Amino acid sequence: NAGVTQTPKFRILKIGQSMTLQCTQDMNHNYMYWYRQDPGMGLKLIYYSVGAGITDKGEVPNGYNVSRSTTEDFPLRLELAAPSQTSVYFCASVNGQGNSPLHFGNGTRLTVT
Amino acid sequence: AQTVTQSQPEMSVQEAETVTLSCTYDTSESDYYLFWYKQPPSRQMILVIRQEAYKQQNATENRFSVNFQKAAKSFSLKISDSQLGDAAMYFCAYTRTSGAGSYQLTFGKGTKLSVIP
Repeated sequence: NAGVTQTPKFRILKIGQSMTLQCTQDMNHNYMYWYRQDPGMGLKLIYYSVGAGITDKGEVPNGYNVSRSTTEDFPLRLELAAPSQTSVYFCASVNGQGNSPLHFGNGTRLTVT
Repeated sequence: AQTVTQSQPEMSVQEAETVTLSCTYDTSESDYYLFWYKQPPSRQMILVIRQEAYKQQNATENRFSVNFQKAAKSFSLKISDSQLGDAAMYFCAYTRTSGAGSYQLTFGKGTKLSVIP
């Protein structure tokens, strides 16, 4: 059981480039999330999804887009990379029942120069 | 909006001793969950312990226990018999359990714990 898988683990982008961070989970979870973690800070919510075809903005959505065409996949798109998007990105999922904890991927370290 | 505050950016503890990490939160909800997550240098987010707000009994997991004070909106983590492997960033997190925003975690800024041999 792989859990939540994120790719790539590391990436360096030039300003203005685009990329997609991939996230897939094999636990049939309805709820999926994208967080970013800046140095010395906690995680902040970028976007979330409560099921296939449903997405919504979190606390810091500017500069990002998401889609949820299947239950398993929740990619995060950066269209025009900016230095302010240098961060570690985490994808997470949960089944939304009881006190189930979030299952996190291992993160993607993104540097924009 | 809910907020989570961890007032100790860094803490240190002697190996085998006990340390307490502080967390306070602000919410108008009566039903919610609280979590402590550990993040070692590997970057992995590891659940340490969780607490349901409707339960008066404090949660425990082996060497880890919490002091949950609902009226004071306080949720501290106690680590007993500290081990070198406990060195990590620790994040306190909150989530409501119903309505808009349910199951979305709000995190504190974290406490970096060092364990001294």
